[in-house]
Amino acid sequence: DQQVKQNSPSLSVQEGRISILNCDYTNSMFDYFLWYKKYPAEGPTFLISISSIKDKNEDGRFTVFLNKSAKHLSLHIVPSQPGDSAVYFCAVGGMDTGRRALTFGSGTRLQVQP
Amino acid sequence: DTAVSQTPKYLVTQMGNDKSIKCEQNLGHDTMYWYKQDSKKFLKIMFSYNNKELIINETVPNRFSPKSPDKAHLNLHINSLELGDSAVYFCASSQDSGLATYEQYFGPGTRLTVT
Repeated sequence: DQQVKQNSPSLSVQEGRISILNCDYTNSMFDYFLWYKKYPAEGPTFLISISSIKDKNEDGRFTVFLNKSAKHLSLHIVPSQPGDSAVYFCAVGGMDTGRRALTFGSGTRLQVQP
Repeated sequence: DTAVSQTPKYLVTQMGNDKSIKCEQNLGHDTMYWYKQDSKKFLKIMFSYNNKELIINETVPNRFSPKSPDKAHLNLHINSLELGDSAVYFCASSQDSGLATYEQYFGPGTRLTVT
């Protein structure tokens, strides 16, 4: 039973345009939301996060939006660069669950075309 | 300087064998994890250790046993390997401090192939 869903397995955008990656979750106990980036043959790398008390967090070209009522999370990359081509995983955590582990989505492969 | 390292990177072995994967972190973190990435690419938590104590043990067969000799190391031993154990295993670590707990640092992964 998937608690975190990334419904788009892949996304292709042109360099300089905006990339929007989406994620849906089912459990309202989650209160911390993260995006990880993964290159082939490497481990996931933390990219950006947001807590449930916020609806937006920005870090350079990367912005994460959280819509708690819709249980929806998105990552915007502007402008997209070829080096952003990777698999992006949405991950969630919840202190109230008593667990320190992350629950991951299945990932979206982003390809940025030069 | 690698923050979280795993050895070996690739492991090919036959069914029924026993194998270990080692993980070390030099970040001074006090929580370490093992995740499994299955064929559908989901990353799923297997174990979590905090200061050498087991705090999460998901529904993982008893054939899998984590060992934490100290805060910087969390090894994974697998007995009687089965075909279904073939996957990529990731070690991770984080500081056990509120929400920083979730900003986990991952190793490069160990691709295990059981034939």
